[in-house]
Amino acid sequence: GQQLNQSPQSMFIQEGEDVSMNCTSSSIFNTWLWYKQDPGEGPVLLIALYKAGELTSNGRLTAQFGITRKDSFLNISASIPSDVGIYFCAGLSSGNTPLVFGKGTRLSVIA
Amino acid sequence: GAGVSQSPSNKVTEKGKDVELRCDPISGHTALYWYRQSLGQGLEFLIYFQGNSAPDKSGLPSDRFSAERTGGSVSTLTIQRTQQEDSAVYLCASSFGLYNEQFFGPGTRLTVL
Repeated sequence: GQQLNQSPQSMFIQEGEDVSMNCTSSSIFNTWLWYKQDPGEGPVLLIALYKAGELTSNGRLTAQFGITRKDSFLNISASIPSDVGIYFCAGLSSGNTPLVFGKGTRLSVIA
Repeated sequence: GAGVSQSPSNKVTEKGKDVELRCDPISGHTALYWYRQSLGQGLEFLIYFQGNSAPDKSGLPSDRFSAERTGGSVSTLTIQRTQQEDSAVYLCASSFGLYNEQFFGPGTRLTVL
């Protein structure tokens, strides 16, 4: 089946640093989504990308839909303590399956 | 506009007992999904419902797991004869159509003693 490879699995950064994480797949997706999950909560949608090459920002977050439609990245600029959590990428294809999720990137921010 | 709600938020049960977990999707959303998340892990797809179509049960780990969705809205996930390995957070999500972004509930944390 379809799989998403998300990296890194975890990262520890200093407050104020920029962060980058990405997802790759051997399959083509028509939509890429990025979610954040805080401890004890369900995932919350951060950014949705609908076209290859699309670059979208949401505050300090920027995400891009790769030209090949097989990858996406998420950048967080000037990290703050509340950025701590698990970030998931997810892809939608035109096949019969719903969202496919990556395994998540666990972000820790050191003040 | 209410989001996806789930109940209970926490459930502690004894091994061998049955449990029911409830999900109220966002009003008007036609698709509803159940996921399982073990401690520190990613999301494991269990089952989804889309409109009046037969549910996709391909992710259910065993026949002890079942789910139903009544009236195209509320869904119940039932786990029979619970085992300790069933302990996890069970997340529900809904979307407007099968191929759109999903919105998640807060989850039910199940602990099987």
